[in-house]
Amino acid sequence: GENVEQHPSTLSVQEGDSAVIKCTYSDSASNYFPWYKQELGKRPQLIIDIRSNVGEKKDQRIAVTLNKTAKHFSLHITETQPEDSAVYFCAAVPGGSYIPTFGRGTSLIVHP
Amino acid sequence: EAGVVQSPRYKIIEKKQPVAFWCNPISGHNTLYWYLQNLGQGPELLIRYENEEAVDDSQLPKDRFSAERLKGVDSTLKIQPAELGDSAVYLCASSFGQGPHNEQFFGPGTRLTVL
Repeated sequence: GENVEQHPSTLSVQEGDSAVIKCTYSDSASNYFPWYKQELGKRPQLIIDIRSNVGEKKDQRIAVTLNKTAKHFSLHITETQPEDSAVYFCAAVPGGSYIPTFGRGTSLIVHP
Repeated sequence: EAGVVQSPRYKIIEKKQPVAFWCNPISGHNTLYWYLQNLGQGPELLIRYENEEAVDDSQLPKDRFSAERLKGVDSTLKIQPAELGDSAVYLCASSFGQGPHNEQFFGPGTRLTVL
């Protein structure tokens, strides 16, 4: 089955800095990669996703990149704000499967 | 539009007792998911429904866990008997359509503590 590794487990940055979270996956059949944000005590919410036919996707201060050859994808947040503080989860979904495999999460702390 | 509704939000039981969780998906969403989330980890899929049919249940521990979605709308997840290791947050999610790329909307979860 699919295995998703996520790093770092904790990331502390100053407001205005950039943050990068990296994930690797094992199943070359994976073709959909969503990212979720989960604030403390709240539900996970989709913030951005990428399909395997593109290498990069941007949405305002958030971007995701995908390297299919290396089986690697990353979340980039620019100009971080305190409200970006949360746990971020990456996931990979193999083609033909509806089962996402999630990473263990990255706790992002943005200091004002 | 109301989001995914789950109840109860919190449940504390003693081991060997039964427990049930309820989920009402977003109106019109035909796909429903139950996930287990342990502290400090990502959600793990337990079961997926397309309408009233369970189509992915390979990760559901069937000796003690059961689920149903009789009318293809709301769903119940049951544990009987509960064990200490079942303490976790149980998340329900729903999506519109049957494609794997459709956005999943999560409920607030039920935090289960087994003593």
